[in-house]
Amino acid sequence: DTGVSQDPRHKITKRGQNVTFRCDPISEHNRLYWYRQTLGQGPEFLTYFQNEAQLEKSRLLSDRFSAERPKGSFSTLEIQRTEQGDSAMYLCASSYTNSQETQYFGPGTRLLVL
Amino acid sequence: RKEVEQDPGPFNVPEGATVAFNCTYSNSASQSFFWYRQDCRKEPKLLMSVYSSGNEDGRFTAQLNRASQYISLLIRDSKLSDSATYLCVVWDSGGSVSFGAGTRLTVKP
Repeated sequence: DTGVSQDPRHKITKRGQNVTFRCDPISEHNRLYWYRQTLGQGPEFLTYFQNEAQLEKSRLLSDRFSAERPKGSFSTLEIQRTEQGDSAMYLCASSYTNSQETQYFGPGTRLLVL
Repeated sequence: RKEVEQDPGPFNVPEGATVAFNCTYSNSASQSFFWYRQDCRKEPKLLMSVYSSGNEDGRFTAQLNRASQYISLLIRDSKLSDSATYLCVVWDSGGSVSFGAGTRLTVKP
């Protein structure tokens, strides 16, 4: 399967714990996006990378959130000191620069903070 | 005001019906428009791009009205498998993307 993959698919954690999610984009894609989606809403943009450079971060992204893409391939999204309001589906998507709007999404990581 | 607004539905239609969804956007500098489909508890998948001249893909027709800042999706001859949430996606000239909250469609036998 050469699509976008995410790991883990589900994560349950207690409030205050740190969690880290991983996204492996389609190998030829140099753009990688992170979104958050809650029930009944569309995906909300969090941040994106072109290669290893983080080019934009949403105002939604508090300083408890950090994302990296150290080698321009896979990316990680870390949430520190999780809160119940962080419970959501975290989606990763990738695309080519020349066709940035044609995004391919991974299956998502569903986070539940108790 | 949200950047992209959609009627959340649900739209409940019988098989074979024609159904249309609209999506309005607030940023007049928006330049690229798409419809995505999202099945329950799955990731969004690209359904079709929306071009200024309108475009058709089988039973699906998408149209853009820049003057009124809305896009539409028309589904003809609805199938049970069309049941999903349809997300409107808008990109602005600066490369920022906004998703609508989605319109839920249920096609019934």
